[in-house]
Amino acid sequence: DAKTTQPTSMDCAEGRAANLPCNHSTISGNEYVYWYRQIHSQGPQYIIHGLKNNETNEMASLIITEDRKSSTLILPHATLRDTAVYYCIVSVNMFSGGYNKLIFGAGTRLAVHP
Amino acid sequence: EAGVTQFPSHSVIEKGQTVTLRCDPISGHDNLYWYRRVMGKEIKFLLHFVKESKQDESGMPNNRFLAERTGGTYSTLKVQPAELEDSGVYFCASSHGGDYQPQHFGDGTRLSIL
Repeated sequence: DAKTTQPTSMDCAEGRAANLPCNHSTISGNEYVYWYRQIHSQGPQYIIHGLKNNETNEMASLIITEDRKSSTLILPHATLRDTAVYYCIVSVNMFSGGYNKLIFGAGTRLAVHP
Repeated sequence: EAGVTQFPSHSVIEKGQTVTLRCDPISGHDNLYWYRRVMGKEIKFLLHFVKESKQDESGMPNNRFLAERTGGTYSTLKVQPAELEDSGVYFCASSHGGDYQPQHFGDGTRLSIL
């Protein structure tokens, strides 16, 4: 079962920041938070991941609370192309060498409107 | 850099027939994963290869499914014989070795069993 809870759906106006929350209250010390998204009929797309520090890349920012029990994915200037299902996933390395089995939940359906 | 490619994009077969799905990972990625989404359900992990070795088959639904990765490059997933409940979208993902490397997904094969 997924170890995260996310709102079922959210709306955002084009050009505004989209802030997608995720609760992972049972996260362990060695578990990372990953965010993926799935645009209709495509495969899941990797966005960002982090352990305890805030992270930023060209797509988004990831803010993880100090107790690591929740996080927020921020799309700074949402566009219509950001309309997708966003998945927050907590994952642990299964063995040394980088294997991390992803357990998907239902995700948040983000609708960006003009 | 070419992404993960999957073939075919769609397959329609009759119950009892055999189907083989193919996945070409990103060049240099030692880790290869198979996932699937059946109708109305969430994306589920099937199995994981490190190079040519199966590391985790815990998600394979039954012995009608056979995955191979000869030579540690591309992978195939064979379903024999196909049943109605096997319909869904089959995703392949790959990642570099090393801790917590993100997985990159293909766009999937949509399998329909009639």
